Amino acid sequence: EAGVTQFPSHSVIEKGQTVTLRCDPISGHDNLYWYRRVMGKEIKFLLHFVKESKQDESGMPNNRFLAERTGGTYSTLKVQPAELEDSGVYFCASSQDLVTEAFFGQGTRLTVV
Amino acid sequence: AQSVSQHNHHVILSEAASLELGCNYSYGGTVNLFWYVQYPGQHLQLLLKYFSGDPLVKGIKGFEAEFIKSKFSFNLRKPSVQWSDTAEYFCAVNGNTGGFKTIFGAGTRLFVKA
Repeated sequence: EAGVTQFPSHSVIEKGQTVTLRCDPISGHDNLYWYRRVMGKEIKFLLHFVKESKQDESGMPNNRFLAERTGGTYSTLKVQPAELEDSGVYFCASSQDLVTEAFFGQGTRLTVV
Repeated sequence: AQSVSQHNHHVILSEAASLELGCNYSYGGTVNLFWYVQYPGQHLQLLLKYFSGDPLVKGIKGFEAEFIKSKFSFNLRKPSVQWSDTAEYFCAVNGNTGGFKTIFGAGTRLFVKA
């Protein structure tokens, strides 16, 4: 069974540019989560999809971040325009239901220069 | 506010030493508790979890954790570490009052000297 996959694994962009991160959850997992880890700090929740609906987006930092999950399958997280403080590792996770553990992707390391 | 506190950011041990990583949480309501591990260059993966029942939980690779409700703690232990346990360890909590979004601690980097 394929795990959670994220693309790209690394991205280096200039301040002001746009970047789109993609996450493919485990097939059949309705719950999809985005998290971010800024250097040396804790992994912080960004948002939670149940199928294609945003269940909780309380962790999204500001309106430069836009997440979508078309058709309840893969998800994208777009940052436009990127700022220096957006640098970090963005993790995606999926779970079958709310009470079981989430399975994580390998993360996308985003560097904004 | 919901939060997880890990007591040590960096731990260095020699092989065969015993390990205990501290974790305390602040979270109202019923909680689920987790320890995740990230080995160098690999995904975050689940080490063990507590949902209910026996508060002493056994996970993979000889790790265990004990949920002490009165202390809001979920410390991770291993009696004898190996070089291959070098990794970063994250304590995490979720529950119904937070919509089941998972709250993570800042992580503890463990380095085991061969």
